Amino acid sequence: EPEVTQTPSHQVTQMGQEVILRCVPISNHLYFYWYRQILGQKVEFLVSFYNNEISEKSEIFDDQFSVERPDGSNFTLKIRSTKLEDSAMYFCASDSGTANSYEQYFGPGTRLTVT
Amino acid sequence: AQRVTQPEKLLSVFKGAPVELKCNYSYSGSPELFWYVQYSRQRLQLLLRHISRESIKGFTADLNKGETSFHLKKPFAQEEDSAMYYCALSGRAGANNLFFGTGTRLTVIP
Repeated sequence: EPEVTQTPSHQVTQMGQEVILRCVPISNHLYFYWYRQILGQKVEFLVSFYNNEISEKSEIFDDQFSVERPDGSNFTLKIRSTKLEDSAMYFCASDSGTANSYEQYFGPGTRLTVT
Repeated sequence: AQRVTQPEKLLSVFKGAPVELKCNYSYSGSPELFWYVQYSRQRLQLLLRHISRESIKGFTADLNKGETSFHLKKPFAQEEDSAMYYCALSGRAGANNLFFGTGTRLTVIP
């Protein structure tokens, strides 16, 4: 069964550094998402992406965040200048976007630790 | 604004006992409601959604618009049901951004 994959599984970075988190969504899916989960808190929506552009973003997704689908398979989340509070689990998800399919398929997550 | 509330962080039941995981929501329109589950060392996965009205692994959930609730129920809990359960809401079709509750960790005691 096809799965969403994410790399790396764990990323440690210093405050102020740029990080890129990578995701490979399921190949025929059309909608892509990033979520994050700070330890002990709920999963929070960051951004959705469709047709090569952002379709919706939350207030968390400020100017230090960006997303890209550079080559038709990878879907990346870039954090320009990381802060301590960016430490979290970051989940990528995708769905097929068909009329009756609301199931999002999640990746295993990337644990980002900012020191 | 949308909000999903799961009042219980932890819930323990004995094997064979009924289980109910509570979820309440607030949303100004007509939301789609879901239950996602995360078993130990596995990824988040969809358990069920209100529009399909199905029973998955013995679990059911009924959307009660009057009480704005979407409680998850199972008449006889099994050990393999032990997991983290998240109630989630999506406001509209298309970009189905999910808004999650804080989750309930269910432990089924053998």
